[in-house]
Amino acid sequence: EVQVVESGGGLVQPGGSLRLSCEVSGITFSYYWINWVRQVPGKGLVWISRVSSDGSAPSSADFVKGRFTISRDNARNTVYLQMKSLRADDVAVYYCATGPHWNPSVFQNWGQGTLVTVSS
Amino acid sequence: DIQMTQSPSSLPASIGDRVTITCRASQSINSYLNWYQQKPGKAPKLLIYSASSLESGVPSRFSGSGSGTDFTLIISSLQPEDFATYYCQQTSSLPSTFGQGTRLEIK
Repeated sequence: EVQVVESGGGLVQPGGSLRLSCEVSGITFSYYWINWVRQVPGKGLVWISRVSSDGSAPSSADFVKGRFTISRDNARNTVYLQMKSLRADDVAVYYCATGPHWNPSVFQNWGQGTLVTVSS
Repeated sequence: DIQMTQSPSSLPASIGDRVTITCRASQSINSYLNWYQQKPGKAPKLLIYSASSLESGVPSRFSGSGSGTDFTLIISSLQPEDFATYYCQQTSSLPSTFGQGTRLEIK
């Protein structure tokens, strides 16, 4: 059974930083691309970033470029999302999702999400 | 960015109904279209990928069709567990974008 577990969310002040983690088990982690998707409570889904199976090809949405950085550690079956300069409009549930090599943007397995709150 | 527009935004329906949700892309996306189901407080679940391929484990009452700019998700006979919000997603180009969602409600 595939398990995807996000962690690292919480309350941070405006301008602050957080690092989210996404640990995956039950699949050959190094074969899969990993994506981050966020959802403001009560609103829709927004893709943020993805990283290739070997970590060599990260991509991010324009609205987080320069603030969010995605990386992965295949030895730990974990992907990270380093977030800095956080703003009020970054408040959301952040989901991690796996994507197969044949289409990395097909989000086959999702975690339960981790809530990020930005407030003073 | 490619804009995805779903209709309707809300859909009252009854158990046993045949339900159709549509999704339109702002430009051609070939068949790079996925459908997800999301229940309150839960993560989305992949139902359909590549416009018409049923994800493993998803009941056969779900089906998808379309190509180019117009797509459809059909639930052939609505079951109680199908009341949820449904999202389409294009994967033709980055950034991958989602429709605004269709909330399937009990009539």
